[in-house]
Amino acid sequence: DVKVTQSSRYLVKRTGEKVFLECVQDMDHENMFWYRQDPGLGLRLIYFSYDVKMKEKGDIPEGYSVSREKKERFSLILESASTNQTSMYLCASTPQQGGNSPLHFGNGTRLTVT
Amino acid sequence: QKEVEQDPGPLSVPEGAIVSLNCTYSNSAFQYFMWYRQYSRKGPELLMYTYSSGNKEDGRFTAQVDKSSKYISLFIRDSQPSDSATYLCAMTLSLNAGNMLTFGGGTRLMVKP
Repeated sequence: DVKVTQSSRYLVKRTGEKVFLECVQDMDHENMFWYRQDPGLGLRLIYFSYDVKMKEKGDIPEGYSVSREKKERFSLILESASTNQTSMYLCASTPQQGGNSPLHFGNGTRLTVT
Repeated sequence: QKEVEQDPGPLSVPEGAIVSLNCTYSNSAFQYFMWYRQYSRKGPELLMYTYSSGNKEDGRFTAQVDKSSKYISLFIRDSQPSDSATYLCAMTLSLNAGNMLTFGGGTRLMVKP
């Protein structure tokens, strides 16, 4: 069974801090994604990666960056956290492109920026 | 206007009821339609997946797509308390678009024993 593990369930950070959210998947998936989930807005794609060291911007990349140094690990970085980045962050992976390849999600990291 | 609209609920029904969850969308180019279920404090999991118009049944769940009306539905028969969750619809243009899904905001369902 695919497992996508996000290192923290809850994080509280101060405005201006640099924040790292870590995600690891154990099924050798090529593709990894970072979404944020806000009430009423659904899931919005921040960044995705099709391969090691490759990254592509999603719909809302501003204020975020990512790193994928190893195939199994995809990190989301908030260079200078702001209160409007308080949200639930979801990592996902999938073995290949295509609508018939379901996204496997982690259980999320709830980030609060004060 | 959002590309995909979904009533946030909550929708509260008694156990055994038939549940209808719906999404409307504005982009007529969407071809692949999915429903994800998300339990509290968990990530979403894929429930149903359909291509183009028509119905698809899986046990107590039926997904329906009406492309002419830009409207999709998920029906749950004989609803159970374990069905209590948030249901997210999602859609994408084509397989070549990869997994660039556009999600609805989710509908929270509560099934009362």
